[in-house]
Amino acid sequence: AQTVTQSQPEMSVQEAETVTLSCTYDTSENNYYLFWYKQPPSRQMILVIRQEAYKQQNATENRFSVNFQKAAKSFSLKISDSQLGDTAMYFCAFMKVLYNQGGKLIFGQGTELSVKP
Amino acid sequence: KAGVTQTPRYLIKTRGQQVTLSCSPISGHRSVSWYQQTPGQGLQFLFEYFSETQRNKGNFPGRFSGRQFSNSRSEMNVSTLELGDSALYLCASSLGGTGKSDTQYFGPGTRLTVL
Repeated sequence: AQTVTQSQPEMSVQEAETVTLSCTYDTSENNYYLFWYKQPPSRQMILVIRQEAYKQQNATENRFSVNFQKAAKSFSLKISDSQLGDTAMYFCAFMKVLYNQGGKLIFGQGTELSVKP
Repeated sequence: KAGVTQTPRYLIKTRGQQVTLSCSPISGHRSVSWYQQTPGQGLQFLFEYFSETQRNKGNFPGRFSGRQFSNSRSEMNVSTLELGDSALYLCASSLGGTGKSDTQYFGPGTRLTVL
C-alpha cells in the first residue's frame, strides 16, 4: 500500500521570502503522479502543481516549484516570494496511474503554512 | 468554465437519519470521485464513478453509497448516520476519457454535522 508523509505539521514564513515544504512517499509502483494541493480557510481544495513520475524535469508553476527525487521518494514544494494569500494547509498527494479504473488520491496529513506580513 | 459544484454546502442531521449529497463536475469531465475529510483521519477516498459505473472504492462501510447519472452528475448517500460521519465531504472531477487516471479538481465541499 502507498503512504504519503508530511513531517512538518506547521510552518511559517515572512512575506516575500522562500519556504520549502517536505513530502516523502512509499510505493513499489513505477508509474504514478504526485500533486500538491492547497486548502485555504475557505476549505476549497486547489491544485498547486503536478509531477508525472516518468518525467525527470521538475514541474514549475509561477512561484511554485518542486524538487522531485524519485529514487529517494521525495517530493518537496518550494514557494518563492511568499504572499499572504499563500496561507493555507498544503497537502501532498500520490496517485497510481491506472487504466480503465478511477484514480485514487492518497494524501499526506498536511502542512499548515502561515505567511506573516 | 465553471468549476465543480456541490450542494448543499452545509447540512445538519441527527443519528440514524440518512443524507444525500450532490456533485456536478466541470463541464466535459466524466469522472467523479468522493473523499471524506476529518481532523482525525485526514482525507480518505470513498469511491469513483465514470460513465455511471463505480470503478474504484475505498474502505468504507456499505452505509456509504453513490451513483452517477448520464450527465455525469453524482450523488453520494450515507444511511443510518453515526456521529463519526461528521466531516467535510469533497467531490472531485477529472476528464476520465482517456481511460487513464488523471488530475482531479475539487469542489468546495459539503460540511455534514451529525448530532
